[in-house]
Amino acid sequence: KQEVTQIPAALSVPEGENLVLNCSFTDSAIYNLQWFRQDPGKGLTSLLLIQSSQREQTSGRLNASLDKSSGRSTLYIAASQPGDSATYLCASGGGGADGLTFGKGTHLIIQP
Amino acid sequence: DAGITQSPRHKVTETGTPVTLRCHQTENHRYMYWYRQDPGHGLRLIHYSYGVKDTDKGEVSDGYSVSRSKTEDFLLTLESATSSQTSVYFCAISPQNEQFFGPGTRLTVL
Repeated sequence: KQEVTQIPAALSVPEGENLVLNCSFTDSAIYNLQWFRQDPGKGLTSLLLIQSSQREQTSGRLNASLDKSSGRSTLYIAASQPGDSATYLCASGGGGADGLTFGKGTHLIIQP
Repeated sequence: DAGITQSPRHKVTETGTPVTLRCHQTENHRYMYWYRQDPGHGLRLIHYSYGVKDTDKGEVSDGYSVSRSKTEDFLLTLESATSSQTSVYFCAISPQNEQFFGPGTRLTVL
């Protein structure tokens, strides 16, 4: 059974810093890995999807990497802003109709 | 906007009553999912569907049933609600492997 872990559970940094959120998974036979953002009381917003054949994806100030052999993915946020404050979730997918297996998230606070 | 709506958005019910949550999509995607989100557990898959009348169980399916009679609608039913089913329920669709989520339904079972 796939298990996904996110460390740290919470992180608080000053505005402007570059930061890295970590995600690890136990079964390297994943089809893809997806990063989400969730604001308090809201739904999930998809940030980046990395297919198993890819090593990274970029969108604006966000860069996500995937290393299947080590069972790790990282989300890099450049030049953090207070508006980046949210909970970030990673999830592994098995492909096809398979649902996602989620980590418990990293609660990020960017201090103005 | 992934074209997913959920109804109701909030519901309070009593233990033992049946409850049905609806997920509606406007884009005719084949795969649809129901998850629940709880503090300390994160999001967990309840049921999923890979087509009309084609559904299967997820990690936490006990106490839940689903139906999909039309491509656009995926219903989640709690046959007899229990307090342990108090949660936030999310529906998702999956065009081309990326999953997109609805706004959620907050269900409270008293």
